[in-house]
Amino acid sequence: TQLLEQSPQFLSIQEGENLTVYCNSSSVFSSLQWYRQEPGEGPVLLVTVVTGGEVKKLKRLTFQFGDARKDSSLHITAAQPGDTGLYLCAGDPANDYKLSFGAGTTVTVRA
Amino acid sequence: ETGVTQTPRHLVMGMTNKKSLKCEQHLGHNAMYWYKQSAKKPLELMFVYSLEERVENNSVPSRFSPECPNSSHLFLHLHTLQPEDSALYLCASSLTAGGRAYEQYFGPGTRLTVT
Repeated sequence: TQLLEQSPQFLSIQEGENLTVYCNSSSVFSSLQWYRQEPGEGPVLLVTVVTGGEVKKLKRLTFQFGDARKDSSLHITAAQPGDTGLYLCAGDPANDYKLSFGAGTTVTVRA
Repeated sequence: ETGVTQTPRHLVMGMTNKKSLKCEQHLGHNAMYWYKQSAKKPLELMFVYSLEERVENNSVPSRFSPECPNSSHLFLHLHTLQPEDSALYLCASSLTAGGRAYEQYFGPGTRLTVT
């Protein structure tokens, strides 16, 4: 199993602040996905990044895939309480039908 | 309905009960998954079905028994569970091709409590 490490584990910020969540591995992935999960619900797919160095934007969320396709980051600008949730990254190793999930970062945005 | 649905959303069962969780996907996918999510632990993959054939049994105790009658439906049959089996059970589906899985789409989960 290829491990994905997410940091920080917990993040609590004030509304309007910026934040960055990291997802790191020693393994190469053919693609990487980010999910957000709210309490009592299943994870919801936010984005998939495929190309090394790729940057994708989803409103105030910016996702970047590392050049070597081993790491990724999620940056949220001017966070809002609606951004609160558990953010999960998952890597597709290309030679397996299983995704490798990180343990997640719990983000709390205070109004 | 669209997406991935799961029933029931909440389940409380005693250790001697037998119950089943149901998952249905309306996305035209050909692979389905069962995950267990416990507090402060990463998602644990339990079972994978690809083209209705089980391709993974991730060392899951036999008190959990999956069933995939077709590509749209997945069940998890439960019997003689233990309190430590209490968790959120998530179903997901995806397309697969050439032994690879693509983006997974999750259902809302079943919150299981074993008393």
